[in-house]
Amino acid sequence: NAGVTQTPKFQVLKTGQSMTLQCAQDMNHEYMSWYRQDPGMGLRLIHYSVGAGITDQGEVPNGYNVSRSTTEDFPLRLLSAAPSQTSVYFCASKATTDTQYFGPGTRLTVL
Amino acid sequence: AQSVTQLDSQVPVFEEAPVELRCNYSSSVSVYLFWYVQYPNQGLQLLLKYLSGSTLVKGINGFEAEFNKSQTSFHLRKPSVHISDTAEYFCAVILNDYKLSFGAGTTVTVRA
Repeated sequence: NAGVTQTPKFQVLKTGQSMTLQCAQDMNHEYMSWYRQDPGMGLRLIHYSVGAGITDQGEVPNGYNVSRSTTEDFPLRLLSAAPSQTSVYFCASKATTDTQYFGPGTRLTVL
Repeated sequence: AQSVTQLDSQVPVFEEAPVELRCNYSSSVSVYLFWYVQYPNQGLQLLLKYLSGSTLVKGINGFEAEFNKSQTSFHLRKPSVHISDTAEYFCAVILNDYKLSFGAGTTVTVRA
């Protein structure tokens, strides 16, 4: 199993550009989530999904969209990038009320 | 309201010395507690977790944590650290069946 994979690893955007961060897992987990990590703030939940076709907002959802058309994939879309979205983004998945497995992260810089 | 509070943002420690990282959680949330470690430029890795049962939980790499319900704490300890333990450590709690809430993190720097 590859676990949780994320692409790209690094990305630089200009303000106003849009892009999609990809996340995939091969563990057949129902629950998937996106976090952003900023210095001194830990990880904050952006969006999450409890299964294909079901998504919900987390703590900091503004400026981001998600969809879950399959169990395996959970892409995160930045509609119009802003410098405040410069961060490290982590995707995670888990089966039940237990351990979350994290991807390696995407480091995003918005100029 | 903050669900998880990590009381130390930076902990410098000498090699082979003990270390304790403090974590307090809100008593209004469930008591599924976790410690994750993040090595430089890497993702998060589970160190240990408390779901139920024994209040002393042993994890990987010689770490352990003790769940204390009366103190609403879940402090992480290691009796003797190595240079390779230099990392950021996150305490986390499950708010409901799915959502995981993280503390701000504690950076441990181990010096020779």
